[in-house]
Amino acid sequence: SQTIHQWPATLVQPVGSPLSLECTVEGTSNPNLYWYRQAAGRGLQLLFYSVGIGQISSEVPQNLSASRPQDRQFILSSKKLLLSDSGFYLCAWSLKGVPTEAFFGQGTRLTVV
Amino acid sequence: DQQVKQNSPSLSVQEGRISILNCDYTNSMFDYFLWYKKYPAEGPTFLISISSIKDKNEDGRFTVFLNKSAKHLSLHIVPSQPGDSAVYFCAASVGNTPLVFGKGTRLSVIA
Repeated sequence: SQTIHQWPATLVQPVGSPLSLECTVEGTSNPNLYWYRQAAGRGLQLLFYSVGIGQISSEVPQNLSASRPQDRQFILSSKKLLLSDSGFYLCAWSLKGVPTEAFFGQGTRLTVV
Repeated sequence: DQQVKQNSPSLSVQEGRISILNCDYTNSMFDYFLWYKKYPAEGPTFLISISSIKDKNEDGRFTVFLNKSAKHLSLHIVPSQPGDSAVYFCAASVGNTPLVFGKGTRLSVIA
C-alpha cells in the first residue's frame, strides 16, 4: 500500500532563517506531487505541483520554492522566512492519467517568529 | 477569484440527525468533485467523490449530490455521529489537474 511521510510535524523558525520541508511517498512510482498550505480562514491553497523529476509548477508567487530531486521526494524551501509564511503545510500525491483523489501527509505546522 | 466556495463556515447538528454540507463552484470545466474530512493538526482524508457524469454517489452514511446546472454539490451524512465532528473541505478538478479546495465548513455533532 502507498504511504506518504512528511516531516517535521512542527517547526518554529525565526524571521529570515531558511526552511526545508521534506516529503516522501512509498508504494507507488511516478506520482503527481503537491504542496498545499492551510492558512487561517483561507482553506487549502495550492503552492506547487510536480508531474516528474525536476518539473515544478508554481501556483502562487511568494517567498517559497520547491524541488523534486527524486521520483518520490518533494522538498519545500525558503532562503529567508517571513512572518507571513506561518501556516500548516501539507504534502500530497496522486496517480496520473485519471481524475482522482489526492492523498495527504500529516502536515507541518510552521510558526515564524 | 474563488472557484470553489463553501459559504457556511460552521454547522451544528444533533447526533443521529442529518448533516448537510454545501459547496458551490464557478468553473464549468470541473469534472470531478470530492469531499475531504480534516481533524486539527492532521492532513485531510478523502471521504467520497463524484464524477460530473453522475448526480449522486453513496458510500455508507455519506452521500454526495451534484447539481451541474446550479453548479452546486452537497454532502449528506446520515446519521451524524460525534466522531464526524471535523472540518469538511469540498474540492474539484479538471481532469488530472491539481485539486482546488474551498475554505471548509466546521461540523460539530452534538451528543
